[in-house]
Amino acid sequence: RKEVEQDPGPFNVPEGATVAFNCTYSNSASQSFFWYRQDCRKEPKLLMSVYSSGNEDGRFTAQLNRASQYISLLIRDSKLSDSATYLCVLIGFQKLVFGTGTRLLVSP
Amino acid sequence: NAGVTQTPKFRVLKTGQSMTLLCAQDMNHEYMYWYRQDPGMGLRLIHYSVGEGTTAKGEVPDGYNVSRLKKQNFLLGLESAAPSQTSVYFCASTLGYEQYFGPGTRLTVT
Repeated sequence: RKEVEQDPGPFNVPEGATVAFNCTYSNSASQSFFWYRQDCRKEPKLLMSVYSSGNEDGRFTAQLNRASQYISLLIRDSKLSDSATYLCVLIGFQKLVFGTGTRLLVSP
Repeated sequence: NAGVTQTPKFRVLKTGQSMTLLCAQDMNHEYMYWYRQDPGMGLRLIHYSVGEGTTAKGEVPDGYNVSRLKKQNFLLGLESAAPSQTSVYFCASTLGYEQYFGPGTRLTVT
């Protein structure tokens, strides 16, 4: 089983829609989780950390469910500029473990 | 403050040729990493370094060597390139948990 698994998508949504992605992880000892964003043919960049109590950053909300071993990312009021691949990431020993990413396409 | 830079941005090699990819960071980060990214595979860790003079193997180290002679530089070498090494290579550095990535090197091995 992969350490981090994501639905590759693509998720096609219209502008203004709300969309959510999930990511499951297999190592119950994992402590820290993140969402990174990667635009086409560009490098990944940190979007937000994921805290146990859930956290918001503007239109983005991240949640962690330790019992079911998944994290989620909710995007409200989608913008065209949100089109990208969203990578689920957790911290392993001295390194990060990346999911393969979920692609989001926001259309006018 | 340039962040993380990679040289070159693009390269085409023939099978059996060698090359070195250079990663440089000006943020005084201790940890540096080399990844490769292939369609459907996500980012896979090749080698990493936790400080000057140290290196360690990642998930897919075979066919690659690295060196970290200076804190700001992390070199990735391919001694005898193979078509399976066609990929996009990203370097990253980190002080805490946030990884800062370079723009990538697109390598094609024919």
